[in-house]
Amino acid sequence: GQNIDQPTEMTATEGAIVQINCTYQTSGFNGLFWYQQHAGEAPTFLSYNVLDGLEEKGRFSSFLSRSKGYSYLLLKELQMKDSASYLCAAKDSNYQLIWGAGTKLIIKP
Amino acid sequence: NAGVTQTPKFRVLKTGQSMTLLCAQDMNHEYMYWYRQDPGMGLRLIHYSVGEGTTAKGEVPDGYNVSRLKKQNFLLGLESAAPSQTSVYFCASSSAGASGGALETQYFGPGTRLLVL
Repeated sequence: GQNIDQPTEMTATEGAIVQINCTYQTSGFNGLFWYQQHAGEAPTFLSYNVLDGLEEKGRFSSFLSRSKGYSYLLLKELQMKDSASYLCAAKDSNYQLIWGAGTKLIIKP
Repeated sequence: NAGVTQTPKFRVLKTGQSMTLLCAQDMNHEYMYWYRQDPGMGLRLIHYSVGEGTTAKGEVPDGYNVSRLKKQNFLLGLESAAPSQTSVYFCASSSAGASGGALETQYFGPGTRLLVL
């Protein structure tokens, strides 16, 4: 079956760095997305990886290892507004997105 | 430029009632999607459309129907609501669905919270 695993909840301190991991098992692979979702709001796009390596975008970076079925989202210089759920989604051979349940990130002052 | 909009924002139904959720996008996107989001679970695809006049089943299509009569609109219908359909429903759109790389990025509407009693 197809599956996305990510931690349910993480806690970090304002100003620190946090890494949210995601492992995926899909029939075929056509890219991996990270979305941010604040409570009660819609998911918004953060990053897209299809090749191995690190993609940096400001305070956020996303890494992909296709051979390991693994990705992570790295958030630097954490701010209180980064408190949200982070959703990992992998696109399978049919170009359907398979979504993880999300990681709730709690930022403490 | 409103992006993706959904109506209504919130609705309470009794078991057996019917309703239609409306999604509209003004980005000229070809692809549109309906998801449901339940606590502790990932987004699950209900139905999707790859263009005007086309629809296809997703992961959890039972109990729902859809129509895409106009490119900018995607309707989700519940013919006979059940308590198991209590959920938050998100509509999304993208300019590409396959082989489009970053163009496959999906843009989401604000969601419809549905409670079926």
